[in-house]
Amino acid sequence: AQRVTQPEKLLSVFKGAPVELKCNYSYSGSPELFWYVQYSRQRLQLLLRHISRESIKGFTADLNKGETSFHLKKPFAQEEDSAMYYCALTGSSNTGKLIFGQGTTLQVKP
Amino acid sequence: DTGVSQDPRHKITKRGQNVTFRCDPISEHNRLYWYRQTLGQGPEFLTYFQNEAQLEKSRLLSDRFSAERPKGSFSTLEIQRTEQGDSAMYLCASRREGRVTEAFFGQGTRLTVV
Repeated sequence: AQRVTQPEKLLSVFKGAPVELKCNYSYSGSPELFWYVQYSRQRLQLLLRHISRESIKGFTADLNKGETSFHLKKPFAQEEDSAMYYCALTGSSNTGKLIFGQGTTLQVKP
Repeated sequence: DTGVSQDPRHKITKRGQNVTFRCDPISEHNRLYWYRQTLGQGPEFLTYFQNEAQLEKSRLLSDRFSAERPKGSFSTLEIQRTEQGDSAMYLCASRREGRVTEAFFGQGTRLTVV
């Protein structure tokens, strides 16, 4: 079954602390993995995708096929990072439909 | 704002009534997706269109739900005989065809069935 699991509903850290949002997936094939972010009162937007291998707003995520994980990391959290983060995958069928995890609320305290 | 737009933003309806939502995608995007999001959960795929063709429907989409995209531009999602369990945020997204293209989301329509 295709599934994305984000084990933490809430992650609370202090400003300047490192952040790691966990994401594990189940998919028989070669999925594409994404992180989407939703800031307060804004729409869901793409943060980064594994094929780009880029850092956005200081965030990085590495696809670990052996552990079927795609954890999101940032070395020094900022207050403006506070948001809801969703890990998602799309499969190899080229439909483009996204399968989302339950989401993790990141709260960065001053 | 030239992004994906959805209308209405909020809808309160009585159980048993029919409701219709509209989504206007980004103009050059030929793929359009509907998702449903309930409290505390991530978005769940409902259906998608490539141009005017509805190519896939989730098992979540019961017979009371119907979606159309008549001219390959805007789309409508209708729910007939609404039930309290239909209360959710309904999200629309669009993208250009291709494996690496980004999906852009609308702000959603929040449905409350009372």
